[in-house]
Amino acid sequence: GAGVSQSPSNKVTEKGKDVELRCDPISGHTALYWYRQSLGQGLEFLIYFQGNSAPDKSGLPSDRFSAERTGGSVSTLTIQRTQQEDSAVYLCASSLNPSSTNEKLFFGSGTQLSVL
Amino acid sequence: GENVEQHPSTLSVQEGDSAVIKCTYSDSASNYFPWYKQELGKRPQLIIDIRSNVGEKKDQRIAVTLNKTAKHFSLHITETQPEDSAVYFCAANSGGSNYKLTFGKGTLLTVNP
Repeated sequence: GAGVSQSPSNKVTEKGKDVELRCDPISGHTALYWYRQSLGQGLEFLIYFQGNSAPDKSGLPSDRFSAERTGGSVSTLTIQRTQQEDSAVYLCASSLNPSSTNEKLFFGSGTQLSVL
Repeated sequence: GENVEQHPSTLSVQEGDSAVIKCTYSDSASNYFPWYKQELGKRPQLIIDIRSNVGEKKDQRIAVTLNKTAKHFSLHITETQPEDSAVYFCAANSGGSNYKLTFGKGTLLTVNP
């Protein structure tokens, strides 16, 4: 596709429910990132996938958060037993190949998650 | 880990004036410093970046300066226009990693016509 695609654009859920957020990166981009953007805060790194390497999960805030990337393309971020503090915009980004040089991130338009 | 501080959190200028946003970082191994612009309701987009082997980089009305000794870098926008109004984020790579960026909390720039 022309850019990074995320779905849904908005998700309202009840506290305690599980949610799945989807990201479709730019075709050919080997690296995929998830960031979280809370109101008035910067972009918080969550997880990074690069090719077939083990993902860097160091930014995941708790074991309720998990992510996978199937076939080196589409990724899903799963939040189990959602809490109100999980409310934020979840941004996905991809880049061509950061292992060779620092590559710019192409962001999706995000998923606005609201936990009631 | 890396800590990036960004100031000011909000900045209001008159059209045609200059705007400066400053960031400091903590990790001396950081060597890549991008700036992202996020317009209201839009996705962040890279506007300029600088690597640690240079002290300044310009692209038309925007420039970035880097002081490695003091561990700070700044974004300069000259002849501001209303379309420059947005949230600007600075970032630094963590631990010399090519991929892990730590972002500042952002600066809301408003350019008044």
